[in-house]
Amino acid sequence: QQQVKQSPQSLIVQKGGIPIINCAYENTAFDYFPWYQQFPGKGPALLIAIRPDVSEKKEGRFTISFNKSAKQFSLHIMDSQPGDSATYFCAASGSGGGADGLTFGKGTHLIIQP
Amino acid sequence: DSGVTQTPKHLITATGQRVTLRCSPRSGDLSVYWYQQSLDQGLQFLIQYYNGEERAKGNILERFSAQQFPDLHSELNLSSLELGDSALYFCASSATGLTGQETQYFGPGTRLLVL
Repeated sequence: QQQVKQSPQSLIVQKGGIPIINCAYENTAFDYFPWYQQFPGKGPALLIAIRPDVSEKKEGRFTISFNKSAKQFSLHIMDSQPGDSATYFCAASGSGGGADGLTFGKGTHLIIQP
Repeated sequence: DSGVTQTPKHLITATGQRVTLRCSPRSGDLSVYWYQQSLDQGLQFLIQYYNGEERAKGNILERFSAQQFPDLHSELNLSSLELGDSALYFCASSATGLTGQETQYFGPGTRLLVL
């Protein structure tokens, strides 16, 4: 059972465009939603994270939008650059007990064309 | 560089064998997590240790086990290996791991190939 659904699976955007990656979750106990960036041959690295008490968070060119009622959240990359080409994973976890590991989406392979 | 180290980087072995993957967390981090990344299953949480004690279990097979030692490094033991166990295995660490809201820092991974 996939608890975090991520789309699209792959995305190609021209430099300067705004790629948008969407995620939806099912478990209402989730209360922490990070995004990870992974380059080939490397481990995932935290990009930005949000908690459900806010609807938007910005860090540099990266913005998370969060819709608690719809159980959806998305990542926007402003002024995208070829160096942003990577695989992006949304994830979720809960602090209310049980497994504290992250539940990941399947990932989005993003290519920014020069 | 996340500060999490994993060895070996690559491992090739045969079906039925047993291997041990090693992880050293970031300095000061008490919690270690193990994840498996494969093409079909994606990134899956296996198990978490906090200060030497098992804290949470995810989708870990019975053939797999882990432990965290007094110096806080951790080992993931994979036994009776099958072709389907071929994957990237990541270790991550966080400061305490007592809530689900801490940043987890991932190591570079161990690529396991079972022939």
